[in-house]
Amino acid sequence: QSVLTQPPAVSAAPGQNITIACSGSSSNIGENYVSWYQQVPGTVPKLLISENNKRPSGIPDRFSGSKSGTSATLGITGLQTGDEADFYCGTWDSSLSVFVFGTGTRVTVL
Amino acid sequence: DVQLVESGGTLVKPGGSLRLSCAASGITFSRYSMTWVRQAPGKGLEWVAHVSGSSTNKYYADSVKGRFTVSRDNARNSMFLQMDSLRADDTAVYFCARVLGYCSSSSCRFYYDHWGQGTLVTVSS
Repeated sequence: QSVLTQPPAVSAAPGQNITIACSGSSSNIGENYVSWYQQVPGTVPKLLISENNKRPSGIPDRFSGSKSGTSATLGITGLQTGDEADFYCGTWDSSLSVFVFGTGTRVTVL
Repeated sequence: DVQLVESGGTLVKPGGSLRLSCAASGITFSRYSMTWVRQAPGKGLEWVAHVSGSSTNKYYADSVKGRFTVSRDNARNSMFLQMDSLRADDTAVYFCARVLGYCSSSSCRFYYDHWGQGTLVTVSS
């Protein structure tokens, strides 16, 4: 049972912008840094965003991350068909001394 | 290039044991913490365990605490997951990943930048 809540699904047409919310608590998102992962079904998860808002080399600037209080947000601009995937947030939980992933969001490009 | 290769996944009966391995190449293995993450069929990602570079710190998900043991052999550039008292709900693809980031006195900024391809563990009679 995940302690980070995400919407199960988000869909939009190509070219549109979307956001995915990740809601947590003071012991996880509230005091630690958030990372985001993209997983095309059947493949390995890929790091999209580290430390709330940093993009690793090779990740397009269409992807962005932010954090405010106990919530984090992944933004995708100019949605492309290749962006169809499951997206997960993740962070450390200081009270539990565990890493926690979000429930996951399936992004569909209409 | 960083490469992580898991092995050891197979079909095992409930109550049985299994040992997974994760072989690393392309990195100075001892410098990095490593983690295990699993994904049950059709489900989301679930963090399993974390071991620091020197094995000083080990952390486990509540769902596996007392049954799974994470270890590493830096001389062999390998991490292991000893899985005992296996249950049907341990059925999953198990990924190993490199951990970047650190914890300070005020916050932690762990994240996982390289992942292996995964190894499938099926627990069934």
